[in-house]
Amino acid sequence: GQNIDQPTEMTATEGAIVQINCTYQTSGFNGLFWYQQHAGEAPTFLSYNVLDGLEEKGRFSSFLSRSKGYSYLLLKELQMKDSASYLCAVRGTDKLIFGTGTRLQVFP
Amino acid sequence: GAGVSQTPSNKVTEKGKYVELRCDPISGHTALYWYRQSLGQGPEFLIYFQGTGAADDSGLPNDRFFAVRPEGSVSTLKIQRTERGDSAVYLCASSLKPGTSGRGDEQYFGPGTRLTVT
Repeated sequence: GQNIDQPTEMTATEGAIVQINCTYQTSGFNGLFWYQQHAGEAPTFLSYNVLDGLEEKGRFSSFLSRSKGYSYLLLKELQMKDSASYLCAVRGTDKLIFGTGTRLQVFP
Repeated sequence: GAGVSQTPSNKVTEKGKYVELRCDPISGHTALYWYRQSLGQGPEFLIYFQGTGAADDSGLPNDRFFAVRPEGSVSTLKIQRTERGDSAVYLCASSLKPGTSGRGDEQYFGPGTRLTVT
């Protein structure tokens, strides 16, 4: 079966650091993606991991452990505009399988 | 246009009616995907096109749903005999052919069509 788990909601304070975890069990694996989705808008690409380790891109970093079926998205120096849903998605062969998303609220 | 476009942005229809949703992908993207997203959920895969052919339609929920991409660019998702449970946001995404780039061939999403079946 296919299963992707991530927390439903998280809160954090402006300027802080937050880590959003994702665990997955899928029948195939060709990479893990993180997308950001603001309410009422389309998902936008944040990061891609296919090998174990950390990928850093500005304030956002993403980590993958294939043996553990685990990833996290790390957001640093949080800004109010980071309030959004963060979607973890695994690619099996071609299609993406998404988790339900983590809604992050950043407070001043 | 630079991005994926979808029309209409909103569609309200009565139960039992037929609807068509259109997606115009990024120029040069051979792969096109349709997803459905319900409130509070992640996008759910429906169908994937590589060029003109449906490479994977395993996500279509039943035979009321059908999609075409006759010239390998614009795609239309067609829903017959709509039901209230079909109400959702229908997202289209496009990408380079999977395996083309080393960066995962990220999918670019359109703004979606919000379908409401009354």
